[in-house]
Amino acid sequence: EVQLVESGGGLVQPGGSLRLSCAASGFTFSNYWMTWVRQTPGQGLEWVANIKQDGSEQDYVESVKGRFTISRDNAKNSLYLQMNSLRADDTAVYYCARALLIRGYYMDVWGKGSTVTVSS
Amino acid sequence: DIQMTQSPSSVSASVGDRVTITCRASQDISNWLAWYQQKPGKAPKLLIYVASSLQSGVPSRFSGSGSGTDFTLTISSLQPEDFATYFCQQANTFPLTFGPGTKVDIK
Repeated sequence: EVQLVESGGGLVQPGGSLRLSCAASGFTFSNYWMTWVRQTPGQGLEWVANIKQDGSEQDYVESVKGRFTISRDNAKNSLYLQMNSLRADDTAVYYCARALLIRGYYMDVWGKGSTVTVSS
Repeated sequence: DIQMTQSPSSVSASVGDRVTITCRASQDISNWLAWYQQKPGKAPKLLIYVASSLQSGVPSRFSGSGSGTDFTLTISSLQPEDFATYFCQQANTFPLTFGPGTKVDIK
């Protein structure tokens, strides 16, 4: 079964750091671009970052540039999101998703999400 | 950034109804558009990509159409399991952006 499982979320104070992990199984992880998408309470969905199969390319939404770092370990079938200098508006459910690249960039497999709450 | 809008924001419908949701992009995205379904407490699920291609395993009552800036998701005969929120996403340009969602609930 194709599966993505996020972990590492929790409560953190403003200015703090958190590292999310996403464990992939059921597919050849190293063949796919991977993505983080977040969903804020009562708000919509926001693409956060993505990373190429070999980790050589990454891209970020403007609001997290310089604070978040996406990375991967293909030997461990794992995706990561290091989040530093966290702010209240980073509070969200963070989803790990696999990319489907066919005439555009889509997300065809999603994890169940990991909740990040930034509050004092 | 490309802005995505959806209408209506919510729709009340009955089982068996035909439901149509519209998505509009702020600039031409060709047919690089996806539709997702999300149920409460669950992750989004890809329904349609490239505007009209049905994702594997998705029932044929779902269909998508459109190109350029205007797109439509149609559910031909609403089933109980279809009550959910639907989002469009433009897949043309980074940052990828989503519509605000359309909630389909029971009439």
